[in-house]
This record gives sequence, structure tokens and C-alpha cells, in this order.
Amino acid sequence: RKEVEQDPGPFNVPEGATVAFNCTYSNSASQSFFWYRQDCRKEPKLLMSVYSSGNEDGRFTAQLNRASQYISLLIRDSKLSDSATYLCVAFSGYALNFGKGTSLLVTP
Amino acid sequence: GAGVSQSPSNKVTEKGKDVELRCDPISGHTALYWYRQSLGQGLEFLIYFQGNSAPDKSGLPSDRFSAERTGGSVSTLTIQRTQQEDSAVYLCASSPGRGTYNEQFFGPGTRLTVL
Repeated sequence: RKEVEQDPGPFNVPEGATVAFNCTYSNSASQSFFWYRQDCRKEPKLLMSVYSSGNEDGRFTAQLNRASQYISLLIRDSKLSDSATYLCVAFSGYALNFGKGTSLLVTP
Repeated sequence: GAGVSQSPSNKVTEKGKDVELRCDPISGHTALYWYRQSLGQGLEFLIYFQGNSAPDKSGLPSDRFSAERTGGSVSTLTIQRTQQEDSAVYLCASSPGRGTYNEQFFGPGTRLTVL
């Protein structure tokens, strides 16, 4: 069983929609959590960190529930440029453990 | 400033040949990581360097894979006697060091194709 599990999607949403991604992690010792974004044939780039208190960055809101070992990402007012694969990541010790990613396609 | 760079960007090789992949981390970053991403798969951790030492090599898929880092900077991932299942994108990342918060910055990757 993979350490970080995500729904692969794809999620097809119209511009302006709100979309939510979820992921679960199995290692309760994981210390930090992140969402990375990966565009087609590009390297992953950090989108945002995830804190238990929840954090917001513009249209993006991330939330961590340690009790349920559950991480979420909410994107409001989707833009065409948000189309990408979103990777849920758990950090344990030194290595990042990546989920397989959730594919998002925002359509006009 | 300059980000993580990797070379070559693409490598096509014949089964059984050896290949070397190079990573230049961000200047001053002490931690360096290798991952690979196969088609339709998530990123798979291979090896981690803190300085020139590799505390954890458990992610290397087989003894055909080895990596080294010299001068606390450049790293080379070597695959001997390549097999078709080695075809993947090999990504290198660096970070300022260990800690509870550990943003890793990725290079553009080397796309390896084994024929």
C-alpha cells in the first residue's frame, strides 16, 4: 500500500468553479505536509505547505487533519492556468513521499 | 538565482549500456535527493545525500544503481547494464538542509529511454 493515496481524477471543471482534492497518508510519524503542482513534462513545484490550523494562499486553501491522517486542497474560482497535476506530499525524516497525483483540467 | 540543473535533459541508450546522470544543486544546499518518475506512477524516492554522505540508500531499486556526491555539490547517479524498466524521468532535488520544514527544489529532470 502506497504511503500517500490520492484520487487520480481527472477532475474536469469549468472556469470559476470550486474544486477540492483529498489525500490520506499512512505514516503517523510524518512531520510535514505539502501540495506540489506538476505541469505536463515539467518538474514538481511547491504550491503550499499544509498546517493543522489550515492555511490559505489566495484562491488556495489547504487543511490537515492529523487524527484522520487526511489532507485537503481547495481551489476557488478556478482558472485555466490551474490545469495541472496536484501532488500530495508527506515528509518523514528526510524524504518526501509523494502521492501519484490528481489531475485537474479547467475548461473555458 | 540559479535553480537545480540536470544533464543530460534526454538520454536514449541501448539495453545493457551504462548511463550517468548529473545533478547540480542550488548553491549552498547541503541536502540532495534523487527521485524517479515512471509513466503513470508517482515520484519514487531513490537516495538522499546530506553533504557527501548518503544515510539512506534503501530506495535504490537494485545494485545496478549507485550514486555519489563530491564536494558537497554535484551528484552523479549511475545505472549499470540498463534495462527497459529503467526508462523513466530521473529528478534531482536539493534543499537547504534537514529539518521539520523541508522545501525541496526540483531540477527539470533527465528523461531516460532504454531501447
